[in-house]
Amino acid sequence: DAMVIQNPRYQVTQFGKPVTLSCSQTLNHNVMYWYQQKSSQAPKLLFHYYDKDFNNEADTPDNFQSRRPNTSFCFLDIRSPGLGDTAMYLCATSRDRGAVVETQYFGPGTRLLVL
Amino acid sequence: GNSVTQMEGPVTLSEEAFLTINCTYTATGYPSLFWYVQYPGEGLQLLLKATKADDKGSNKGFEATYRKETTSFHLEKGSVQVSDSAVYFCALTTNTGNQFYFGTGTSLTVIP
Repeated sequence: DAMVIQNPRYQVTQFGKPVTLSCSQTLNHNVMYWYQQKSSQAPKLLFHYYDKDFNNEADTPDNFQSRRPNTSFCFLDIRSPGLGDTAMYLCATSRDRGAVVETQYFGPGTRLLVL
Repeated sequence: GNSVTQMEGPVTLSEEAFLTINCTYTATGYPSLFWYVQYPGEGLQLLLKATKADDKGSNKGFEATYRKETTSFHLEKGSVQVSDSAVYFCALTTNTGNQFYFGTGTSLTVIP
């Protein structure tokens, strides 16, 4: 019954070594989001895709990139992870966006540790 | 702008105690309000929501009423259980965009 799936659940990488996190959804939602959540903080939106349209938040570092090859999958690429990128990364989806308020559905998260 | 302010934690309660977690907001447009719960090591789960003033969201014994006059959406439960131990996030979104604005979260620990 899992609706938003994230892999892996835990990832350890070395400083500067590229890493890719995966998110898939069975809801057929148009919008997919990536959030970064550091310890004891609120989730912070990095970017989202509305269908194939990529929307970056103004303060998201260039080190973070995303790909959405199809409706079901979305990837988060961290090109050169720094120690400060250690965090939980949350993927979420919503059916649509804009004038209609939509609930966001979250995956279980990927806990990333940069050493 | 849009923002959410939650009461600071951590909160520790005995089983069967009454719970209130305060949440207030500022928003442009017409916000919808949400409570999400995050259990240890897991992602966020939608707990309840309210999309217009005076609506009451409820789920699993938790309730919250959208109060436009006080810009509040306080979370309440009459009798907490050990299994309610988690971090609770208040959030809003508006019809001017799909950005979710989260509060900083309130950690709840329920002891037997």
